[in-house]
Amino acid sequence: SQLAEENSWALSVHEGESVTVNCSYKTSITALQWYRQKSGKGPAQLILIRSNEREKRNGRLRATLDTSSQSSSLSITATRCEDTAVYFCATNNNAGAKLTFGGGTRLTVRP
Amino acid sequence: EAAVTQSPRSKVAVTGGKVTLSCHQTNNHDYMYWYRQDTGHGLRLIHYSYVADSTEKGDIPDGYKASRPSQENFSLILELASLSQTAVYFCASSDWGGPSQNTLYFGAGTRLSVL
Repeated sequence: SQLAEENSWALSVHEGESVTVNCSYKTSITALQWYRQKSGKGPAQLILIRSNEREKRNGRLRATLDTSSQSSSLSITATRCEDTAVYFCATNNNAGAKLTFGGGTRLTVRP
Repeated sequence: EAAVTQSPRSKVAVTGGKVTLSCHQTNNHDYMYWYRQDTGHGLRLIHYSYVADSTEKGDIPDGYKASRPSQENFSLILELASLSQTAVYFCASSDWGGPSQNTLYFGAGTRLSVL
């Protein structure tokens, strides 16, 4: 079974709306990362949030981390068509070297 | 901008043949990784390395070997390619300290089709 999983397989919003992608994980972690993968490209990191942090922002993106419920969320405000992509959460366990990805949430932003 | 270059970008191989996928990074990073991605799915870790001349097994190492002859280069080897190894393969690198502290920088991927 996966160590990290996004809670939705696919989401669709209209441009300008806000959207939240949720993730749950199963082990103790030192950090959780959010990546975005556009069609035909490799994943690119959006945010790294450490286990002692509760919130991290990057422009229109906001990530939260709740270690008590072993969950994280990534919110995108004022969505744009170019936000259309697959969003992954990824965690490392306390061993550190291995980053395990969830199955991804496909976000479609419609004009 | 960190740079990870994979070659070839796509390859068609025959069942039972040997396939070598190459990865080169110019980031001076210690950690390198090989992931596979099946259509519509997430990434699964095959092998990784945190120092030259040493490799570690990831979550799905069976059927794959890895080689790290230098800090910059990391290869994935399929000695006897099988149909089930058809996938997109991604190489990534990260700085000392690994993913608990650092970003993974990914290459553009290699699309492998085994026929």
